Amino acid sequence: DTAVSQTPKYLVTQMGNDKSIKCEQNLGHDTMYWYKQDSKKFLKIMFSYNNKELIINETVPNRFSPKSPDKAHLNLHINSLELGDSAVYFCASSQDKYTEAFFGQGTRLTVV
Amino acid sequence: AQKVTQAQTEISVVEKEDVTLDCVYETRDTTYYLFWYKQPPSGELVFLIRRNSFDEQNEISGRYSWNFQKSTSSFNFTITASQVVDSAVYFCALSGTTSGTYKYIFGTGTRLKVLA
Repeated sequence: DTAVSQTPKYLVTQMGNDKSIKCEQNLGHDTMYWYKQDSKKFLKIMFSYNNKELIINETVPNRFSPKSPDKAHLNLHINSLELGDSAVYFCASSQDKYTEAFFGQGTRLTVV
Repeated sequence: AQKVTQAQTEISVVEKEDVTLDCVYETRDTTYYLFWYKQPPSGELVFLIRRNSFDEQNEISGRYSWNFQKSTSSFNFTITASQVVDSAVYFCALSGTTSGTYKYIFGTGTRLKVLA
């Protein structure tokens, strides 16, 4: 049973399109995150949610909109995709802000 | 500001050698948490260890050991008798309790190559 699962695993799309990535965790955690990993492997926080409430929005363009319908889900919608959005996007969850995060397998987004 | 520095970009060792991955952090929080993650070639991020700022005891788990020293703001990771399966990118991360809360600040990672 996968703890943090995100779909799709791969996403290839054209510039200007809108796409969504879904994330679900079955760990009963209160906090969820989106991270972006660029081509140099650098991991950067995008958003964090605690109990469905947005806590951190780390200067992400407003083309990116997270949505947390409940504590177990945190989806990421991206409008008007640009070449620079190509990256691996990781969803993660943690019990609280003091404990370790568990990551999904990542979604490799390629914008052409 | 919070920051994690992993100065070693890439390390290559021959199997069975010991290797230490360095991690230096900066934070103004008095309570904080440090982590190590492994990212194998398959791409997932695997949690290895968490250490809180009040616990400077070193930890050993099999071939892995961690050395936390507040005096030098370092949290180094040693793999003893390395194996090819240890080849991966290793990330050190920091989470604060006031200024850097609800996020993990990652270092840039160290790519470890273990050669047979």
